[in-house]
Amino acid sequence: AQKVTQAQTEISVVEKEDVTLDCVYETRDTTYYLFWYKQPPSGELVFLIRRNSFDEQNEISGRYSWNFQKSTSSFNFTITASQVVDSAVYFCALSRIAGANSKLTFGKGITLSVRP
Amino acid sequence: EPEVTQTPSHQVTQMGQEVILRCVPISNHLYFYWYRQILGQKVEFLVSFYNNEISEKSEIFDDQFSVERPDGSNFTLKIRSTKLEDSAMYFCASLVSGGIAEAFFGQGTRLTVV
Repeated sequence: AQKVTQAQTEISVVEKEDVTLDCVYETRDTTYYLFWYKQPPSGELVFLIRRNSFDEQNEISGRYSWNFQKSTSSFNFTITASQVVDSAVYFCALSRIAGANSKLTFGKGITLSVRP
Repeated sequence: EPEVTQTPSHQVTQMGQEVILRCVPISNHLYFYWYRQILGQKVEFLVSFYNNEISEKSEIFDDQFSVERPDGSNFTLKIRSTKLEDSAMYFCASLVSGGIAEAFFGQGTRLTVV
């Protein structure tokens, strides 16, 4: 069975602070995908990143960066110089790679509040 | 950019009534999903659909739920006799090929059962 744990439930920071959102996963699969989604107050799910388990390179996209460590089964997400618009719920998710069974297993989400 | 479209955005229904949530996936996608998010909770998988049949369903997806792709473009989720606990946001998602790309999510339908 697959499981995603986001131990942090709520984080509050002041604008321009850096913040890291933690994600730990469990899977018996040797290959899999990891994702981060953002859910703003409007409710939709916004895709942020997909990471293949083969690729442990860290990734940076603007103010966002992701640290994937297979040895610790973690896929952490850092926002640098946070902004008020980053306020949202952030979900980490896991899926199998192959076939029709590539459903997403989500963590419980982390509510990030960025104060001006 | 192509997108998954869900209608309605919000539906209010009385307990015991049937509801149909509609989704138009991206046209060349082959795999379709429904997820549910009870307010303030995580997003949970309900069902996946491929090649005109259910490929996997969760324990939440009991006999009161059904899905179909009636006309090759729409993908629907039917709840036969709604309960108060069915109140949630329902997300449709589609995928072009199993595991090759990220699932594209619709904007969700908020179902309120009163």
